[in-house]
Amino acid sequence: GALVYQYPRRTICKSGTSMRMECQAVGFQATSVAWYRQSPQKTFELIALSTVNSAIKYEQNFTQEKFPISHPNLSFSSMTVLNAYLEDRGLYLCGARQNSGNTLYFGEGSRLIVV
Amino acid sequence: GQQVQQSPASLVLQEGENAELQCNFSSTATRLQWFYQRPGGSLVSLLSNPSGTKHTGRLTSTTVTKERRGSLHISSSQITDSGTYLCAMERNTGYQNFYFGKGTSLTVIP
Repeated sequence: GALVYQYPRRTICKSGTSMRMECQAVGFQATSVAWYRQSPQKTFELIALSTVNSAIKYEQNFTQEKFPISHPNLSFSSMTVLNAYLEDRGLYLCGARQNSGNTLYFGEGSRLIVV
Repeated sequence: GQQVQQSPASLVLQEGENAELQCNFSSTATRLQWFYQRPGGSLVSLLSNPSGTKHTGRLTSTTVTKERRGSLHISSSQITDSGTYLCAMERNTGYQNFYFGKGTSLTVIP
């Protein structure tokens, strides 16, 4: 079946440092990968959508300079939170799917704690 | 503004009762997908359908795209159904973006 692995599951980083998280699709080709953040007491916000062989599209309030994303092949994507501060705390999820209209499969999430 | 609105925000039921969760969205959607969020935060995909009705087990998802609404029906609720249910709307703007509602917190008591 289709699975998405995400790691690390939890990271504690010092304010101003960076954290990289990875997303691995198993059992299907991850043509598109979406990265989301759920901040404390909030719902999931879409950060960016990455489609292989296309430009990565960032949502308003999120930038490549802050959240650089790599999507080098059909099974892997990574995102870095640069210069993390308190407002970057939350659960980061990657969702991947093979084709438009297919179910989006999510990883378990990477929780970022900033101290 | 908020593109996906879920109601109720919270719901308490006795075991065996049915739950009806609503999802309304403010723009044209190509599909709705329902998720259960585990206490640790990870998401479990429940049902996904562009329109009409879809069943799995005790769950029924109904989407009326032209009326910009959907619902998730949980029949014969069980204590283990307790948790947060999220509705996500997909917009086909050329990038197939998903937007989430704030969720319905369901508590099932004995």
